[in-house]
Amino acid sequence: EVQLVESGGGLVKPGGSLRLSCAASGFTFSSYNMNWVRQAPGKGLEWVSYISSSTSSIYYADSVKGRFTISRDNAKNSLYLQMNSLRAEDTAVYYCARVAGTTSIDYWGQGTLVTVSS
Amino acid sequence: QTVVTQEPSLTVSPGGTVTLTCASNTGAVTTGYYPNWFQQKPGQAPRALIYSTNNKHSWTPARFSGSLLGGKAALTLSGVQPEDEAEYYCLLYYGATQVFGGGTKLTVL
Repeated sequence: EVQLVESGGGLVKPGGSLRLSCAASGFTFSSYNMNWVRQAPGKGLEWVSYISSSTSSIYYADSVKGRFTISRDNAKNSLYLQMNSLRAEDTAVYYCARVAGTTSIDYWGQGTLVTVSS
Repeated sequence: QTVVTQEPSLTVSPGGTVTLTCASNTGAVTTGYYPNWFQQKPGQAPRALIYSTNNKHSWTPARFSGSLLGGKAALTLSGVQPEDEAEYYCLLYYGATQVFGGGTKLTVL
């Protein structure tokens, strides 16, 4: 069974940093591209970042470029999102999602809440 | 700035048929945008329904179908069930970036 479990969320002050993790199981993690997607309270989904299976391709939404860094450790079956210079508008539930091929999101984690507030 | 537009809300009767659409401000949506569709119920993570315009995941109920319609991506629900009441999001691919639509709240009434 495919499982994606996010962790690392919490309350952080504006300008602060946080590192999210996504633990993958039930599939060959190293063979899949991955996404981070977020959802602000009461709002829609927003794509945040993409990383290919080999890390050769990495992309970011303009809203987080230069502040967030996506990475992965295939030996640990884990995906990460390093978030720096956090702003109030980064407050959201952050989901990791598996990408089947390059253009199909199939599985989602349950999400981890990040709150940026003083 | 790329904007993907969906109907904010739609209402359908149980057993009826409804079509949700997904438009891009860059022009007509084609198969090259690889439209994906997702369902999200309150308090839950999104669930994938359709990928690459009209392909279903193994768990997608047969009453859901994807297509292109009038320059937009479309999700059609035929024989709507009460449990289909949810928010529906489309996702379009623009090369290196991906953009979600704002979502359609589907009410079954």
